[in-house]
Amino acid sequence: AQSVTQLDSHVSVSEGTPVLLRCNYSSSYSPSLFWYVQHPNKGLQLLLKYTSAATLVKGINGFEAEFKKSETSFHLTKPSAHMSDAAEYFCVVSSTSGTYKYIFGTGTRLKVLA
Amino acid sequence: GAVVSQHPSRVICKSGTSVKIECRSLDFQATTMFWYRQFPKQSLMLMATSNEGSKATYEQGVEKDKFLINHASLTLSTLTVTSAHPEDSSFYICSAHALQGYNEQFFGPGTRLTVL
Repeated sequence: AQSVTQLDSHVSVSEGTPVLLRCNYSSSYSPSLFWYVQHPNKGLQLLLKYTSAATLVKGINGFEAEFKKSETSFHLTKPSAHMSDAAEYFCVVSSTSGTYKYIFGTGTRLKVLA
Repeated sequence: GAVVSQHPSRVICKSGTSVKIECRSLDFQATTMFWYRQFPKQSLMLMATSNEGSKATYEQGVEKDKFLINHASLTLSTLTVTSAHPEDSSFYICSAHALQGYNEQFFGPGTRLTVL
């Protein structure tokens, strides 16, 4: 069975400093992993995805994530936070076979301080 | 490409009435669509998986007679909240899985349901 754990429910950073949002996963299969962002009262926007190609994945808005199988991690990073990055971030794992269900993490709320 | 729409974006209804939410894949065919519910400041909770031409598969604890799902074509799934009550107020989000190619769900913008 698949599962995903987002280790921090809230993260605060100052504008211009690096962002690290942590995600660990568990999967019996070779997983597909995603990061989504949700701004208040909005739908989900895909930031990036890992689907068994390159382990370092670059996404939109300067975000990237590295798939580390040995650590079962898929942490999201950005070198320099912007005020507009303040939002809720979800790490998601999906099986590559069967139902294609998504398993959502509990989310990390990112706050960016001026 | 891979755009999913939801209609309506917001709906307010009286307690006891039924509300239908549509989810459409605009530029691709979706064998499978998913319906999620999101409470304030919480993550998405999968309610059901909808396959074109067959009955939906509901997650544990989700009342199938309360939340009717129909997936009549490869581009349209509907969720009907029957006899709505205030506790059904929530943000409902659908997603669609493409017939070919991607191992990825494409999400609609969500529907905010408020039951008075």
